[in-house]
Amino acid sequence: AQSVTQLGSHVSVSEGALVLLRCNYSSSVPPYLFWYVQYPNQGLQLLLKYTSAATLVKGINGFEAEFKKSETSFHLTKPSAHMSDAAEYFCAVSDRSRGATNKLIFGTGTLLAVQP
Amino acid sequence: KAGVTQTPRYLIKTRGQQVTLSCSPISGHRSVSWYQQTPGQGLQFLFEYFSETQRNKGNFPGRFSGRQFSNSRSEMNVSTLELGDSALYLCASSPGPGGQPQHFGDGTRLSIL
Repeated sequence: AQSVTQLGSHVSVSEGALVLLRCNYSSSVPPYLFWYVQYPNQGLQLLLKYTSAATLVKGINGFEAEFKKSETSFHLTKPSAHMSDAAEYFCAVSDRSRGATNKLIFGTGTLLAVQP
Repeated sequence: KAGVTQTPRYLIKTRGQQVTLSCSPISGHRSVSWYQQTPGQGLQFLFEYFSETQRNKGNFPGRFSGRQFSNSRSEMNVSTLELGDSALYLCASSPGPGGQPQHFGDGTRLSIL
């Protein structure tokens, strides 16, 4: 069965510092991978997706993620944190081997705090 | 283009009642999925619909049901509500199935008293 692990339920960085949010997946076949962000009292907003076209994926708001098959990882990074980046971030996978499905399996989320 | 619209935004019910939540997908999107979000269990998949057919169902009791209409709008129903059903219910839409990015609504916050 597929699963997603997000290391660190809380991450705190200073404004302007590097943001690194970790995500590891478990799957026999490299899945579709996604990062979503959730602001308080809102739904999820797609940051970026990996669908095998390129291992380095650029998303919105300056975020990017690198797919590393050997490490089964898909970590999210941003070179310089902004106060507006404070939110909860979710890594998710969709099973590529089970045909056409959009079912997402989510990690437990990482709450990012940005200190001034 | 309007986003995914979920109604109502907030709902308060008592144990034993039933509830129906509504989701209007982005225009042109034919796939709709539902998720439950709670502090304890996180985000869990409920159902996935495409062209009025349920393609996938999560591990939830039969009290949870859903359907999709010909205009792609979807509803989910929870019968005999329990305290543990208190959650944020999120709907997501995409053009079709197959690992496509999903666009989420702001959810319906259901509280059970």
